[in-house]
Amino acid sequence: DAMVIQNPRYQVTQFGKPVTLSCSQTLNHNVMYWYQQKSSQAPKLLFHYYDKDFNNEADTPDNFQSRRPNTSFCFLDIRSPGLGDAAMYLCATGTDSYNEQFFGPGTRLTVL
Amino acid sequence: DQQVKQNSPSLSVQEGRISILNCDYTNSMFDYFLWYKKYPAEGPTFLISISSIKDKNEDGRFTVFLNKSAKHLSLHIVPSQPGDSAVYFCAARRYSGGGADGLTFGKGTHLIIQP
Repeated sequence: DAMVIQNPRYQVTQFGKPVTLSCSQTLNHNVMYWYQQKSSQAPKLLFHYYDKDFNNEADTPDNFQSRRPNTSFCFLDIRSPGLGDAAMYLCATGTDSYNEQFFGPGTRLTVL
Repeated sequence: DQQVKQNSPSLSVQEGRISILNCDYTNSMFDYFLWYKKYPAEGPTFLISISSIKDKNEDGRFTVFLNKSAKHLSLHIVPSQPGDSAVYFCAARRYSGGGADGLTFGKGTHLIIQP
């Protein structure tokens, strides 16, 4: 089945220790998104890749970076996680042809 | 400032009755609206959507209504079934003409279907 896969599902890191979250897709979609969802809050778009073009949201902190080495993979790097970065991180894919986005199961990040 | 608002954090409905979930938005540049359903430990899954040029879209038990003048949309589920118990997110897209833009989500409404 075509899908969006996120690894790991649960990630624990220490305050200030860099962490990388992974997303892969078998849908061959050209757009990949990263959303952050804190407890009881709305998912919030951090950035997205349209093909190789990176599109950052204006209010996404510099602490958050992303890489997309190829169509299938996209990474979220948090350079120095703070306690406030503990959240569910959702990866999604899409195309110009579809209006809906397809989400992975998310990675829950805990910062100690 | 929240541009998409779901003012009911939770809603309890009896099985077989109609569930109505509401969503309000403030940005008149939104051109497409979507509803997502989320079970615990899973990602959101697409349910139904509506373009801003329409006022109704129906798919089986699910109907979405859009009132542009009031900047309000609603999702109707009839009849409600136990498997409908989940968190429902309202989302909106602002089309900028370049690529597939991200979505703006509401906080979600937890729908509980009572047997």
